Amino acid sequence: NAGVTQTPKFRVLKTGQSMTLLCAQDMNHEYMYWYRQDPGMGLRLIHYSVGEGTTAKGEVPDGYNVSRLKKQNFLLGLESAAPSQTSVYFCASSRRTNNEQFFGPGTRLTVL
Amino acid sequence: DAKTTQPTSMDCAEGRAANLPCNHSTISGNEYVYWYRQIHSQGPQYIIHGLKNNETNEMASLIITEDRKSSTLILPHATLRDTAVYYCIVRVDAGGTSYGKLTFGQGTILTVHP
Repeated sequence: NAGVTQTPKFRVLKTGQSMTLLCAQDMNHEYMYWYRQDPGMGLRLIHYSVGEGTTAKGEVPDGYNVSRLKKQNFLLGLESAAPSQTSVYFCASSRRTNNEQFFGPGTRLTVL
Repeated sequence: DAKTTQPTSMDCAEGRAANLPCNHSTISGNEYVYWYRQIHSQGPQYIIHGLKNNETNEMASLIITEDRKSSTLILPHATLRDTAVYYCIVRVDAGGTSYGKLTFGQGTILTVHP
């Protein structure tokens, strides 16, 4: 099993550009999450999904959109990137019944 | 969710036990104690969790006080690869109306030295 994978690993954007981060899991988990981590800080939840076709806002959702068209994939979109969105983005997944979340390796995004 | 308090940093000699404390004095009866760690530049990794009984797995042991207001994560024989930030998180278990959101605080930076 690959676990949780994230694409791409690194990306540099200019202000105003758009992009989509892809998260995929092969563990048949119901729940999926997108977090961001800024230097010296813990992870903050952006959006999450409790099942295929459903998404919800986390702590810091502004400037991001998500979609979960397939159970195994969770996409994070930035429609108009801003320098404040420079961060490391982590995707995670878990079963419905507990909080053992499996994390991907992260995507390092820089917005100039 | 109950708030947790952890020391900012700790040191440990390689081969010795690392004991990482966590205070969660406002924990509710249905809240679990979870421990995760994050090795530099990697995603967080689940270690262990418990409700009120002590727990042990292949990675660590979790000791929860009888009043559940504090806990200790024990790495029995620390190695250099255990150098990481360790997060103590208190949370009701996922399921029902709870989606299992984890709130990561600042954690404890554990440095294992030779």
